[in-house]
Amino acid sequence: KNQVEQSPQSLIILEGKNCTLQCNYTVSPFSNLRWYKQDTGRGPVSLTIMTFSENTKSNGRYTATLDADTKQSSLHITASQLSDSASYICVVSGQNAGNNRKLIWGLGTSLAVNP
Amino acid sequence: ETGVTQTPRHLVMGMTNKKSLKCEQHLGHNAMYWYKQSAKKPLELMFVYNFKEQTENNSVPSRFSPECPNSSHLFLHLHTLQPEDSALYLCASSRGLPGLAGRSYEQYFGPGTRLTVT
Repeated sequence: KNQVEQSPQSLIILEGKNCTLQCNYTVSPFSNLRWYKQDTGRGPVSLTIMTFSENTKSNGRYTATLDADTKQSSLHITASQLSDSASYICVVSGQNAGNNRKLIWGLGTSLAVNP
Repeated sequence: ETGVTQTPRHLVMGMTNKKSLKCEQHLGHNAMYWYKQSAKKPLELMFVYNFKEQTENNSVPSRFSPECPNSSHLFLHLHTLQPEDSALYLCASSRGLPGLAGRSYEQYFGPGTRLTVT
């Protein structure tokens, strides 16, 4: 069964600290993996998209890694800011029976950055 | 802003009411989507439109009726909803469908409509 699991479910850190969020998936065949940031009361906004051949991708203070062999990804946030408080959602693109791409969404990690 | 707007932002309706959600994208995209986001659940894809034609309906109850008059506008007509339909309804658009080989079209989301059914 295609699944995306994220950990931790929630996380509280102090402003300026770093943190790492995890995503494990069982989607097969794999096409790409995305990380989204969703602020409270807003829609998700894409941070990174990674394909099979990419190990690391950065977007400012956000760095995503992908290990396609172990089917794991992580999102590392450096020097956190109060505005980083949000839900971070991992999404994996697979293929359904009709050979079309299908997005499998994780539940997200809720991050709170405190002053 | 993402270029995708949704109205209203909040909606409270009774189970016998009829209401509509509106989504408009200013990005020149061809594909539009409706998602449902409930607490403690992943995003659920409801409908997909490509060039105004519905390409996907994920077993959504008929009390939800989508309409796509053109590539820039998408509506979700609601009638005789149930309390369990209360959720955040998100609209998204992308340049193309993610089904094309070798393509990973990014989806841009609107802010959502927070729907409460009483």
